[in-house]
Amino acid sequence: AQKITQTQPGMFVQEKEAVTLDCTYDTSDPSYGLFWYKQPSSGEMIFLIYQGSYDQQNATEGRYSLNFQKARKSANLVISASQLGDSAMYFCAIINTGGFKTIFGAGTRLFVKA
Amino acid sequence: DSGVTQTPKHLITATGQRVTLRCSPRSGDLSVYWYQQSLDQGLQFLIQYYNGEERAKGNILERFSAQQFPDLHSELNLSSLELGDSALYFCASSVGQGEETQYFGPGTRLLVL
Repeated sequence: AQKITQTQPGMFVQEKEAVTLDCTYDTSDPSYGLFWYKQPSSGEMIFLIYQGSYDQQNATEGRYSLNFQKARKSANLVISASQLGDSAMYFCAIINTGGFKTIFGAGTRLFVKA
Repeated sequence: DSGVTQTPKHLITATGQRVTLRCSPRSGDLSVYWYQQSLDQGLQFLIQYYNGEERAKGNILERFSAQQFPDLHSELNLSSLELGDSALYFCASSVGQGEETQYFGPGTRLLVL
């Protein structure tokens, strides 16, 4: 069965600094995709970044990058140069080609301090 | 704006009632996913449809059902509602049926009194 673990319920970061949000996963399927989503207090789910299990390079999207360590089954999100608007809940998720069920982690709430 | 639309935005109803939530995917997307987000259960995958056919099933209760119509919009029907069904219901869509990016709609906030 698939599983996503986000061990940091809450994180604080100073504005303009970088922060890493942890995500580990468990799946027996060789083919899968990993996602990160941001959920601000307004409630919408905003797609941030995607990493395929066969991708050789770590994914990057602007200030977001994914530190993908396949052997360790981790897919940490790195946010560079944090902004006040980055304060939100962040979810890691996995989907595999076996069951097509998407599993989300419990989330990490990020607070950016001015 | 993700391009995924959901109606209604808010819904207040009573226990035992039935409601229908509607979702229109992004133009060109064939897959629709439904999720339930509650404080105690987190974000739970309910069901996925691909081009009108059910593709994957998650933690969807028997009181809940969904379908995807020929124009690819989808409806989630919730019946015999209980207090515990109060949650934020999201629809998401993707181009295909595999491990691709899912774009979420704004959600429908359901309150069962």
